[in-house]
Amino acid sequence: DIVLTQSPGTLSLSPGERATLSCRASQSVSSSYLAWYQQKPGQAPRLLIFGTSSRATDIPDRFSGSGSGTDFFLTISRLEPEDFAVYYCQQSGSSPAFGQGTKVEIK
Amino acid sequence: QVQLIQSGAEMKKPGSSVRVSCKASGGTLSSYSFSWVRQAPGQGLEWMGGIIPIFGTTNYAQKVQGRVTITADEATRTAYMELSSLRTEDTAVYYCVRGGFRVTARRTDYFNMDVWGQGTTVTVSS
Repeated sequence: DIVLTQSPGTLSLSPGERATLSCRASQSVSSSYLAWYQQKPGQAPRLLIFGTSSRATDIPDRFSGSGSGTDFFLTISRLEPEDFAVYYCQQSGSSPAFGQGTKVEIK
Repeated sequence: QVQLIQSGAEMKKPGSSVRVSCKASGGTLSSYSFSWVRQAPGQGLEWMGGIIPIFGTTNYAQKVQGRVTITADEATRTAYMELSSLRTEDTAVYYCVRGGFRVTARRTDYFNMDVWGQGTTVTVSS
């Protein structure tokens, strides 16, 4: 099974700063099958990015995804107050798997 | 806009079973996959399994294989997840999730989980 490792575990930034989150897979992942989710406390996760770089419905363009093979990235160009949350990458497939999450917190 | 409405919180004893329902409000089950994802307190997300209602096919994660059964009733637009032989470590929030799917001769792939239910808390305690 593919294992996804996210880094860093916690990212401490200020509003307006740029955030770059990493997701490394234990083996190559199809670009079509890499997604990112955002989860706020007490809420269900929300799909942000699918197919490595496509934004889901109503997701602002400050969120972007990139990468290929085993290394994938989520970038938030300028952090808004509502972006402080936990972010998960996910490999789709016959047995979908999630990374352990990166918490983006206010510095 | 489809919403997934899940059943309420459950308190269960170890060794018992729990059944959680997920009704699609404003949409059908056809043309989508439905997965169940759980999250233990303070932990990450774990895919448990899924179903393609139009084909009736199911897939389960190895960790819960043999204890979990996922079904769907297209007439009532409701998916179900039953987990048996409950353990304290099954305490979690359980989410129903709609997504896409791709079926080949060899496998069924689940992807783009775009609509999530509100979650159902299942607590297993003696």
